[in-house]
Amino acid sequence: GQQVQQSPASLVLQEGENAELQCNFSSTATQLQWFYQSPGGSLVSLLSNPSGTKHTGRLTSTTVTKERRSSLHISSSQTTDSGTYLCAISSNTNKVVFGTGTRLQVLP
Amino acid sequence: EAGVTQSPRYAVLQEGQAVSFWCDPISGHDTLYWYQQPRDQGPQLLVYFRDEAVIDNSQLPSDRFSAVRPKGTNSTLKIQSAKQGDTATYLCASSPRTGQNTLYFGAGTRLSVL
Repeated sequence: GQQVQQSPASLVLQEGENAELQCNFSSTATQLQWFYQSPGGSLVSLLSNPSGTKHTGRLTSTTVTKERRSSLHISSSQTTDSGTYLCAISSNTNKVVFGTGTRLQVLP
Repeated sequence: EAGVTQSPRYAVLQEGQAVSFWCDPISGHDTLYWYQQPRDQGPQLLVYFRDEAVIDNSQLPSDRFSAVRPKGTNSTLKIQSAKQGDTATYLCASSPRTGQNTLYFGAGTRLSVL
């Protein structure tokens, strides 16, 4: 079945620095979503990006479908960006599989 | 538009007790998912439905877990005889028919089994 790997597992930044998160997956994906989860909170969808590049606010996602990878770039990080970032993949079914996440800590 | 609603928000059990979790998806969403998220891990799919039909329950521990969605709207996930290893947050998500599997999550139920 679909395997989703995220890296790094954790990341510590100073406020204002940029972050680059990676998601690699084992099978062709028809949908890819990035989610944010605050400590002890639920999941909030950041953006859907099955291919190409998408921007929203300080976030940029680039997905290269044939290489089975996606990245999430966070520019000018803020302390409120701290939390876990999760990548979720689905193929030609409705089954959605998550990676293990990247835990981001932004220090003031 | 109301979001995905889950209840209860928290549950604390002794080993061997039973518990049910309830989920009300976004109106009109035909696909409903249940995920288990142990502490410091990513969500792991337990089961998902399209309308009232179970599509994939291969990761559901069938001897103690069961899930139903009888009218294709609300869903219940039940754990019989809970174990300490079931301690986790249980998340419900729904997706619209034409939404390209875009998921919308509820707040989750945090379960502690003592």
